[in-house]
Amino acid sequence: DADVTQTPRNRITKTGKRIMLECSQTKGHDRMYWYRQDPGLGLRLIYYSFDVKDINKGEISDGYSVSRQAQAKFSLSLESAIPNQTALYFCATEDTGVNYREQFFGPGTRLTVL
Amino acid sequence: RKEVEQDPGPFNVPEGATVAFNCTYSNSASQSFFWYRQDCRKEPKLLMSVYSSGNEDGRFTAQLNRASQYISLLIRDSKLSDSATYLCVVNSPGTYKYIFGTGTRLKVLA
Repeated sequence: DADVTQTPRNRITKTGKRIMLECSQTKGHDRMYWYRQDPGLGLRLIYYSFDVKDINKGEISDGYSVSRQAQAKFSLSLESAIPNQTALYFCATEDTGVNYREQFFGPGTRLTVL
Repeated sequence: RKEVEQDPGPFNVPEGATVAFNCTYSNSASQSFFWYRQDCRKEPKLLMSVYSSGNEDGRFTAQLNRASQYISLLIRDSKLSDSATYLCVVNSPGTYKYIFGTGTRLKVLA
């Protein structure tokens, strides 16, 4: 059973459309992240949240917004999609402890903006 | 200079070979270091955290060299199933954010 799920898994849309990517987790982690991955650029942080009332911008938040509806849900929105937002998007949770950190990633959403 | 740099590869090695990757980081204040594995079109998964004293997990050994600001991953007795992209991840000092390298691609050949 997947602990971090993302919907949709694939989406093709047109320039100017509003898109929402959903992320749900059953791991009980407070910390959640949204990344995008582009060839040759690695994963880049869009937004992160440490609890329902805490939302923080990452390095590439322009053109995106997020909503943390509950501990288990963290959604990413593209208000007006543009072609350079075509990428593979990953949601992740983080487990932390004394001298321990691990991020758990969802399976990814492949978004194409035409 | 990129904050985290990796040789993209690919490293093509025969089964049973030993292979090593390095990753350099620019911020000397970084405290946490990790190797993640990513299979083609799949999500990254934690392979190992990297500790100051170095650490080993089966065929995998990770080392940290703070003086030269790099971490390494050594894979012994390579298996076909080790074929993947290995991502170097470093924390951003003073934050809870992570910086990902672009990955090193490994192909283990039969």
